Amino acid sequence: ETGVTQTPRHLVMGMTNKKSLKCEQHLGHNAMYWYKQSAKKPLELMFVYSLEERVENNSVPSRFSPECPNSSHLFLHLHTLQPEDSALYLCASSHAPIAGANVLTFGAGSRLTVL
Amino acid sequence: GENVEQHPSTLSVQEGDSAVIKCTYSDSASNYFPWYKQELGKRPQLIIDIRSNVGEKKDQRIAVTLNKTAKHFSLHITETQPEDSAVYFCAAGTTSGTYKYIFGTGTRLKVLA
Repeated sequence: ETGVTQTPRHLVMGMTNKKSLKCEQHLGHNAMYWYKQSAKKPLELMFVYSLEERVENNSVPSRFSPECPNSSHLFLHLHTLQPEDSALYLCASSHAPIAGANVLTFGAGSRLTVL
Repeated sequence: GENVEQHPSTLSVQEGDSAVIKCTYSDSASNYFPWYKQELGKRPQLIIDIRSNVGEKKDQRIAVTLNKTAKHFSLHITETQPEDSAVYFCAAGTTSGTYKYIFGTGTRLKVLA
């Protein structure tokens, strides 16, 4: 499969559960991102990994824990979430912005509902 | 902090008419402005982008204009079709090695047949 793939596409969890979101890219990119998309709000950057090192952590609560085992895979581990964390979580990838802009390719997202 | 304002939040046009979406950015260091289209239940996809060394870029029915002095940029869609119905996001970033974009809040475009 090509592009950026996210699983699961839909997730419902209770506030005490632990779950993980997975993202995989087959584009040869070396930077991967997690964005949060909530209704009527701008896309919020959560984390960026470049060459498997975290380069951005945008004041995200510790109940969200990212993991990047290699340049093709990115996880977002979730635990003790709050109902206000319900949103669409988008993964994206790009070349590292060494020269020029880092054009993002997005996955289709994981729709998370916290009960 | 830096932000991008996007207007309108919703826009309905008749098929065949033109649609214009406007964005204003605050960070004067921004020099790269992409536009993303997100159809219902699908991923955001880059449809056009512009860099600050040009004032206008066109790709078939889609064009983007940039006014650096006023910090405004706009998306123009001509001869709209039902498949243009989607949410459109503008963003502002730089080409100087940053990973961050500041996104607008999105415009829901409905093209009425």
